[in-house]
Amino acid sequence: GAVVSQHPSRVICKSGTSVKIECRSLDFQATTMFWYRQFPKQSLMLMATSNEGSKATYEQGVEKDKFLINHASLTLSTLTVTSAHPEDSSFYICSARDVGTNTEAFFGQGTRLTVV
Amino acid sequence: AQRVTQPEKLLSVFKGAPVELKCNYSYSGSPELFWYVQYSRQRLQLLLRHISRESIKGFTADLNKGETSFHLKKPFAQEEDSAMYYCALRGTGTASKLTFGTGTRLQVTL
Repeated sequence: GAVVSQHPSRVICKSGTSVKIECRSLDFQATTMFWYRQFPKQSLMLMATSNEGSKATYEQGVEKDKFLINHASLTLSTLTVTSAHPEDSSFYICSARDVGTNTEAFFGQGTRLTVV
Repeated sequence: AQRVTQPEKLLSVFKGAPVELKCNYSYSGSPELFWYVQYSRQRLQLLLRHISRESIKGFTADLNKGETSFHLKKPFAQEEDSAMYYCALRGTGTASKLTFGTGTRLQVTL
């Protein structure tokens, strides 16, 4: 199957700083990318959907100013956690899909964020 | 609104025993249903989707619209089936977002 790569896989940052997570589709064009958050032993919660070249659509309760999403190209989307707090510590997962060809969604390996 | 319910957090079976992982959904239109699997220390990957109507690794799942269910079944469990299984729903429309259930951990023991 297609490959989606997330970077970094693990990051520790100080409270108040910002951290950027990248999600790349390596061998297909991802017209749509999704960002999820997963708490320990819980399911994936969709945070936002981003379409290439347009603004992301955030799920209810997700602060768009805190979780900045940029989907500038068909192979790259970034999630920036701004002014991070310890409660933002979580596992963030992206997935990518080529809506035009109705392919399945492929998932990145996830990024473990720890805010200290 | 779309919702996926997986009632069991943990399902423990013996090797060779039949497996059924339950999934019920709520959606007003015609959804697409999926099963995703996450093996230890690996990323989430698609196991099967209802429109394909195929068997993957011996697993099958039939969409029952009357019961709004999409249970995952395998007649004989193998040790390597031990993993976390997530049922997911994708509605119609341009959003095309996946809604996941809370997941069921399948533990296959000797």
